[in-house]
Amino acid sequence: SQQGEEDPQALSIQEGENATMNCSYKTSINNLQWYRQNSGRGLVHLILIRSNEREKHSGRLRVTLDTSKKSSSLLITASRAADTASYFCAPSFTGGGNKLTFGTGTQLKVEL
Amino acid sequence: DAGITQSPRHKVTETGTPVTLRCHQTENHRYMYWYRQDPGHGLRLIHYSYGVKDTDKGEVSDGYSVSRSKTEDFLLTLESATSSQTSVYFCAISGGERGGPDTQYFGPGTRLTVL
Repeated sequence: SQQGEEDPQALSIQEGENATMNCSYKTSINNLQWYRQNSGRGLVHLILIRSNEREKHSGRLRVTLDTSKKSSSLLITASRAADTASYFCAPSFTGGGNKLTFGTGTQLKVEL
Repeated sequence: DAGITQSPRHKVTETGTPVTLRCHQTENHRYMYWYRQDPGHGLRLIHYSYGVKDTDKGEVSDGYSVSRSKTEDFLLTLESATSSQTSVYFCAISGGERGGPDTQYFGPGTRLTVL
């Protein structure tokens, strides 16, 4: 089915380190979004990158998009314990209207 | 998000009973969505709405129906609940001035258990 697939499924790092998560998808997209979900809560939008963009920054977040490889990455710099959460990529596929498809996410644990 | 509420937040019901979950928004967003989240499956789209009385099926719509009679309310009904519908249900909205048409904002979720 059409969806983004995050890799790795789980990631454990020390506070202050950088965390990198990857997303792959299979068909053409209009844009790709990243969301965060803290345990037991709803998803929170982090950043949107359009298909004609290659890189985007927001605070400690850096997102890249390579449409030729159909992949995206999310980099969180100088991680904090509060960054512990699940992270989801959500491609908006061409012809899919306003629907998003979510993968199973990357569970990030930032340890003190 | 303060602009999206879901009710109830928790519900335990028995197999075969009808259940209705409510999503209410104060953001005047055009699009509304219902997802379910299960371990190993991520979020899966059940139904969505692109306007009052305009709805369509998502990836896992069997056993569910929806209604949207007002911009602010999107109801999800389980016609006859089954144990396989035990899940956490999230409502989301998009299409407002904040965030543009593509960004979705999620409610806090409803944890449904079907015994």
